[in-house]
Amino acid sequence: DAKTTQPNSMESNEEEPVHLPCNHSTISGTDYIHWYRQLPSQGPEYVIHGLTSNVNNRMASLAIAEDRKSSTLILHRATLRDAAVYYCILRDILTGGGNKLTFGTGTQLKVEL
Amino acid sequence: SAVISQKPSRDICQRGTSLTIQCQVDSQVTMMFWYRQQPGQSLTLIATANQGSEATYESGFVIDKFPISRPNLTFSTLTVSNMSPEDSSIYLCSVEASSYNEQFFGPGTRLTVL
Repeated sequence: DAKTTQPNSMESNEEEPVHLPCNHSTISGTDYIHWYRQLPSQGPEYVIHGLTSNVNNRMASLAIAEDRKSSTLILHRATLRDAAVYYCILRDILTGGGNKLTFGTGTQLKVEL
Repeated sequence: SAVISQKPSRDICQRGTSLTIQCQVDSQVTMMFWYRQQPGQSLTLIATANQGSEATYESGFVIDKFPISRPNLTFSTLTVSNMSPEDSSIYLCSVEASSYNEQFFGPGTRLTVL
């Protein structure tokens, strides 16, 4: 399985944008890039996913490098509720319906007033 | 989306005993999974619960230790057998419907083994 590399932790101030990087230099052409986050004492929740083009939803934006070897999750205005561990995960499109999620160590995001 | 509940939410058990964790989904789903999250660690997949057939276990996990049932498309159980303190973890159920491209997770079961 292609692996991802993320910083262990990042800090942000409330109301400011946050850019969470993820490197996936061995990504294959059929790998989707997925992001999940885990709030304290909760199960992970889906944030966003993409294949090649940048994606936006109500929670975040996903910027994917042209060579697809890296991506960035963008929270446009961080709030205290966004403090969580953010996981960048690759999923093979060919087996996406039944493929497991392989969680790395993720990035612990701390948001301060 | 899918709403998932787990029972119990937490438990404290004695060494050598077994605990069965239930996972209930509010809609029929194709795929159900069981994960373990050890203290301070990330999630690790234990197995895929297959409806009507034996679960598919990941490397390092065996059926005798973690028997799984999936009698229908909305329910599954995970049993942690012959527990030791090393089994103290959060156990999470997740689901994925064939029409979605995301997994939904339950709130987890926090298990402490003394």
